Amino acid sequence: GAVVSQHPSRVICKSGTSVKIECRSLDFQATTMFWYRQFPKKSLMLMATSNEGSKATYEQGVEKDKFLINHASLTLSTLTVTSAHPEDSSFYICSARDYEREGLYYNEQFFGPGTRLTVL
Amino acid sequence: KNQVEQSPQSLIILEGKNCTLQCNYTVSPFSNLRWYKQDTGRGPVSLTIMTFSENTKSNGRYTATLDADTKQSSLHITASQLSDSASYICVVSPSGTYKYIFGTGTRLKVLA
Repeated sequence: GAVVSQHPSRVICKSGTSVKIECRSLDFQATTMFWYRQFPKKSLMLMATSNEGSKATYEQGVEKDKFLINHASLTLSTLTVTSAHPEDSSFYICSARDYEREGLYYNEQFFGPGTRLTVL
Repeated sequence: KNQVEQSPQSLIILEGKNCTLQCNYTVSPFSNLRWYKQDTGRGPVSLTIMTFSENTKSNGRYTATLDADTKQSSLHITASQLSDSASYICVVSPSGTYKYIFGTGTRLKVLA
């Protein structure tokens, strides 16, 4: 249980185009989903927190208009990288929080497999 | 400032050997501490979770310990396998927030 998927797993796009990445919780409802970015040999950096039906909360330094997040349902959140540039190339990982399972272990996040974005 | 530091940064061991990874944190108070395994190009997978009141947790060949007094945790891997080659990340959840504080990670390589 508690499986999170991402699509696509890899995407290559030209500079200036927009790319959408999907994050789905397959067997639970995720009121809250998180989007992370990871550079090579570095740890995960939180970009934004999305709650179903409301606007995402972005971390300091993350451009809201650049990284559009939509969390329209309890099982799907999307990250759209708008007007992508080579410096946006990175590994993007989402996670989802399953409130019903938490119990003793507060704030359990289940991570997706990640999406490798390459902007040419 | 809340920080989580791990050592060593990287480690190479021979298959079948044991190893121990260290995690020092300044996060206080915290609700729980997790160890994750991240294969290259994949998302993190949870290995162990401990609340501040627990001091050991096992998951197969992985055993995590926690000393809340010294703010240290360790992950011990027994009888390493080639598939253990990955990055291991220590993550602390501060009390009162949903955010994770990620450690710097240890990159483990197991050689045949």
